[in-house]
Amino acid sequence: QVQLKESGPGLVQPSETLSLTCTVSGFSLTSNSVHWVRQPPGKGLEWMGIIRSGGSTDYNSALKSRLSISRDTSKSQVFLKMNSLQTEDTAIYYCTRTRVGDWFAYWGQGTLVTVSS
Amino acid sequence: DVVMTQTPPSLSVAIGQSVSISCKSSQSLVYSDGKTYLHWLLQSPGRSPKRLIYQVSNLGSGVPDRFSGTGSQKDFTLKISRVEAEDLGVYYCAQTTHFPFTFGSGTKLEIK
Repeated sequence: QVQLKESGPGLVQPSETLSLTCTVSGFSLTSNSVHWVRQPPGKGLEWMGIIRSGGSTDYNSALKSRLSISRDTSKSQVFLKMNSLQTEDTAIYYCTRTRVGDWFAYWGQGTLVTVSS
Repeated sequence: DVVMTQTPPSLSVAIGQSVSISCKSSQSLVYSDGKTYLHWLLQSPGRSPKRLIYQVSNLGSGVPDRFSGTGSQKDFTLKISRVEAEDLGVYYCAQTTHFPFTFGSGTKLEIK
């Protein structure tokens, strides 16, 4: 069945770079898009970016200068890298799948990233 | 960016009652292909978001038909008929017509 699972460091120092992995199963990255969405504690959802089935990307303009999304289709993994982290980047980070006519049907469990010294 | 305004921010309802949540966008959500990419999600306490409705009115797989979505252009509504205890949580609308994609600020549903 379709599954997504985020993994990452949990704690990141201010000004450092965050690296997260979304490992998927039950579907191919070459025929599905994957988004990253984050949620600060007690707050709402923020769309961060997408990597499409063809490998192209789009980013939230507010994060574009710091954010990069890539993938390794052979390993069924999608990567998020974001630099210059600040305390306001503390959030649960989710990956979610979409494809034509099937928006946001599957989500990972999320991974909490805390930015603190 | 498209601003999604949800109202009310919170509501408290008794089991069996019906409720409606409004979502208004700052721009039309009709895409160049003629389709409208407005979706509704529910985030139950401590859980990942769950997709309820996609493209205005299409019920997601396994979602009870107590949930329904209507609307067009910039004005959308999620209706829950006969609220059940499991419906508590925060409801979000989301648009994927315009980049960057954006979410509403959420409507928290509590059970009386």
